[in-house]
Amino acid sequence: AQSVAQPEDQVNVAEGNPLTVKCTYSVSGNPYLFWYVQYPNRGLQFLLKYITGDNLVKGSYGFEAEFNKSQTSFHLKKPSALVSDSALYFCAVRDNMDSNYQLIWGAGTKLIIKP
Amino acid sequence: NAGVTQTPKFQVLKTGQSMTLQCAQDMNHEYMSWYRQDPGMGLRLIHYSVGAGITDQGEVPNGYNVSRSTTEDFPLRLLSAAPSQTSVYFCASSYSRLAGVTDTQYFGPGTRLTVL
Repeated sequence: AQSVAQPEDQVNVAEGNPLTVKCTYSVSGNPYLFWYVQYPNRGLQFLLKYITGDNLVKGSYGFEAEFNKSQTSFHLKKPSALVSDSALYFCAVRDNMDSNYQLIWGAGTKLIIKP
Repeated sequence: NAGVTQTPKFQVLKTGQSMTLQCAQDMNHEYMSWYRQDPGMGLRLIHYSVGAGITDQGEVPNGYNVSRSTTEDFPLRLLSAAPSQTSVYFCASSYSRLAGVTDTQYFGPGTRLTVL
């Protein structure tokens, strides 16, 4: 069965420091991987996705993520955190073998950037 | 271009009442979906549609109905509200008829529903 795990409910980072939000997945076939961000009282916004090709994917607002097939991970990273990055981050995966094309979501990680 | 719009933003219902959450998009997207968001559980798919006249069930469809008479609109109906349906509901759309396999999804601002 397909699944996504975001092992940290909350990540605290000082402004200016690098940040990492972790995501691991389990699929039968090849994964299509996504990161979305949700600011307070807002809908989710797309950050970046991995479909195929280069394992390092660059996205919006200076974020990037690295696809690691051997570790089945897709961690979100940013070299220097901003207070405005504080939000709820969701990882999601689709299995290319799933005929229903279901998008499976992680539970979310709350990112807090302290000044 | 308004993107994905949802109404109402907030709603309080009594147990047993029915209501419709409205969702509309002006991007000519074929794929639309409804999710509920509960604390610590991420998003769960309720129903989805790959085009006008075509709908299907997601992970948690019980207690909800949908229809897709036009490309633009995808309303979600609660037939007889229950406290377990207290949640935040998001509508989303994406371009591809292939259920948005590789497409990004565009989300509405959400409807916060409380059932007493």
